[in-house]
Amino acid sequence: DTEVTQTPKHLVMGMTNKKSLKCEQHMGHRAMYWYKQKAKKPPELMFVYSYEKLSINESVPSRFSPECPNSSLLNLHLHALQPEDSALYLCASSQRDRGVSEKLFFGSGTQLSVL
Amino acid sequence: LAKTTQPISMDSYEGQEVNITCSHNNIATNDYITWYQQFPSQGPRFIIQGYKTKVTNEVASLFIPADRKSSTLSLPRVSLSDTAVYYCLVGDMNTGGFKTIFGAGTRLFVKA
Repeated sequence: DTEVTQTPKHLVMGMTNKKSLKCEQHMGHRAMYWYKQKAKKPPELMFVYSYEKLSINESVPSRFSPECPNSSLLNLHLHALQPEDSALYLCASSQRDRGVSEKLFFGSGTQLSVL
Repeated sequence: LAKTTQPISMDSYEGQEVNITCSHNNIATNDYITWYQQFPSQGPRFIIQGYKTKVTNEVASLFIPADRKSSTLSLPRVSLSDTAVYYCLVGDMNTGGFKTIFGAGTRLFVKA
């Protein structure tokens, strides 16, 4: 199984809603990532978890709250978002094995629309 | 992390070989060069990675000159399904994927 699965595929939410994005991988990878991608732009790194600990937060607003319950799961909790937060949210994982290729495996993303 | 510069877009025809060049003038000694492909509404997909000279796999070839200040992704005999955005990334593999930062990418459009 070389897949990263993200749910839901599409999400529409109001600015006062609370929602969560989910990501799952069963490749035994120990690093997991959240990226945000606006239309016709490259993915922007948001968070990195390494061995279930948050290791990188790229100055992301607190209305985005990541969580890594175990080595296979990654969540992104959303609260009080703004319309400009509408984007494709991508989850990725990698082996975290120093000395070999740090290849990232991406999910298909969640297309988020904030109204 | 070394910054990369790629052409914004390229056009090609089916059956042609496509070469996309990436400049990374301040590449560090430990840096590897990695290319990803992304289709609309999908996550990027790893294509190829190399350190020097030439790397080839079933999808593409990667040519890296001796000074390593640039690299060229070569896609042999493209088809319509190769229409995508191609990203060149440079980073130290030993620090892992902690900061896999994407540049602007090259939009390749393959025509019939």
